[in-house]
This record gives sequence, structure tokens and C-alpha cells, in this order.
Amino acid sequence: DVKVTQSSRYLVKRTGEKVFLECVQDMDHENMFWYRQDPGLGLRLIYFSYDVKMKEKGDIPEGYSVSREKKERFSLILESASTNQTSMYLCASLGTGQAPLHFGNGTRLTVT
Amino acid sequence: AQSVSQHNHHVILSEAASLELGCNYSYGGTVNLFWYVQYPGQHLQLLLKYFSGDPLVKGIKGFEAEFIKSKFSFNLRKPSVQWSDTAEYFCAVNDPPGANNLFFGTGTRLTVIP
Repeated sequence: DVKVTQSSRYLVKRTGEKVFLECVQDMDHENMFWYRQDPGLGLRLIYFSYDVKMKEKGDIPEGYSVSREKKERFSLILESASTNQTSMYLCASLGTGQAPLHFGNGTRLTVT
Repeated sequence: AQSVSQHNHHVILSEAASLELGCNYSYGGTVNLFWYVQYPGQHLQLLLKYFSGDPLVKGIKGFEAEFIKSKFSFNLRKPSVQWSDTAEYFCAVNDPPGANNLFFGTGTRLTVIP
């Protein structure tokens, strides 16, 4: 069974801090994703990566960056956290071919 | 880009009532379709998926969905809901099939009253 692990379940950070959200998957999947989930807005794609060191912007990349140095790990970085980045962040992975996304438990980030 | 509409934002039902949640996508020929469920405090889980073949697909926990290509719809149904079905439901489209992204709807919150 695929396991996607997000390192923190809850985070509280101050405005202006640099924030790292970590995600690890154990199924050797090529594709990994970062979404944010907000009430009434559903899931919005921030960034995704289809291979090591490769990344693509999603729908809302502003204020975020990502890092994929190893296949199993995909990090989301908030360079300077702002209150409008308070949200639930979901990591997901996807193998090749026609397959569903596998999600982590999410990280609820609060920026004060 | 593809967009997915879920017109019901919050649905409240009594136990044993029938459920139908709407999902429409904006365009496309061949697509893959998914319903995900998120129970309170848990991660998103796949409920069911459609890739090809019989347009009526059955998923876990008694859920089913029907793909109607002419209407660009993939509505989720359950004949008799239970309190444990209280969750948020997301419809998603993979267009084209096998592409490395899913387009999600905004979600429908289902509350089942005992």
C-alpha cells in the first residue's frame, strides 16, 4: 500500500518566517504534488514534480517554491510566510499510467 | 484548462436517505474520472474511479457513480446513506488520461443526521 507521509500535522509560524513542509512517499512514484485546500475553494495545485530536480508551476505558485532532490521527497517552501498562506497543505504522489493520486494526511499551517 | 464543477456545497441528509452529488467537467473527449472522500480528520481517499467500459462504476462503501459523456457528468450516488458517510466529497478529472495532474472540484460537504 502506498504511503505518503507529511512530516508535520500542525504548524504555527509567524509572518515573514521561512517555512518548510516535507513530504515523503515510499512507492518510487515519479510524480509528486503539493495542493492547498481551503473551504469553498477545493484543492488547488501549487506545484508538481515529474522527476528529480524537475518542477512545474500549478495554478497558484506565487509565494511558494519547491525542491525535489531525491525521488521520494518533495518539499514545499514558503520563502516569507504571510497570513493568506494559512491553509491545509496536501502532498500527493502518482505513479505512471492511469492511476489515482495517493494523498498524505495534510499539514495544517497557521501563519500569525 | 479543464474545470470541474460541484454545484452542491453542503448537503444535509437524514440516515437512510438517498444521495446524489453532482459533478460536471468542462470539456473533453477521453477523460479519467474520480471521486475522493475525506472523512473528518483523515486524508483524502479514493472512493471510485472511471477509466473506460461500463459507465456505471461501483466503489467502496456502497457508492456508485455514472459517467454520462454527453452531459460531461460523473454524479455520485448512494441509495441509503449512513451517519458514517459524513465527509467531504471531491470529484476530479484527469485530462488527458495518464496526464500527471488532476483537476479537482471545490468539494461537497455531506452531513448525515442520525
